[in-house]
Amino acid sequence: EVLLVESGGGLEQPGGSLRLSCAASGFTFRSYAMSWVRRAPGKGLEWVSVMSGGGETTYYAASVKGRFTISRDNSKNTLYLQMDSLRVEDTAVYYCARMVVPASMFWGTSWFDPWGQGTLVTVSS
Amino acid sequence: QSVLTQPPSASGTPGQRVTISCSGSRSNIGSNSVNWYQHLPGMAPKLLIYNDVQRPSGVPDRFSGSKSGTSASLAISGLQSEDETDYYCAAWDDTLKGVIFGGGTKLTVL
Repeated sequence: EVLLVESGGGLEQPGGSLRLSCAASGFTFRSYAMSWVRRAPGKGLEWVSVMSGGGETTYYAASVKGRFTISRDNSKNTLYLQMDSLRVEDTAVYYCARMVVPASMFWGTSWFDPWGQGTLVTVSS
Repeated sequence: QSVLTQPPSASGTPGQRVTISCSGSRSNIGSNSVNWYQHLPGMAPKLLIYNDVQRPSGVPDRFSGSKSGTSASLAISGLQSEDETDYYCAAWDDTLKGVIFGGGTKLTVL
């Protein structure tokens, strides 16, 4: 069974930092791109970032670029999201998701499946 | 403001057919495949439709997807009370170099 388990969420002050982790199991982790998606209270899903299977390629949403850093350790089957300079508007449940890219590196045909249960990040003073 | 436009709400009675629209542009829906997700807050989001019309194993055939030009639709036939939740379309955007989601549609089963 493919399983994704996020951790690392919590309460942080504006300007602070948090590091999220996503432990993966049940599939060949290094063969898949992985992504972070968030959902703020009362709002919809928002894509945050993606990293290719080997870590060569990364993309970020404009709202987090320069503040968040995605990384992965394929030896530990774990995806990370380093969140710096946190803002109140970063408050959300953060989900990691496996990104299926059937045509190698052609992101336009990709989809997310499965998703983890999420970890809550609250940014407040 | 989402780059993909969905109606904020939709409704139907049990057994009815409802459709949810998703409007985009040439750089996203017009060039790339559309995926649909179901998300009940507090739960893990679930893939419903991928590559415009494909249904993952385990998703009932009551759910179907379609696409034409820069718009896509999700249809749910034989509406059931368990279908009452939030639905999102998504696509890769070649200009933004990332995935964009619609604003989400809250489906109510009356």
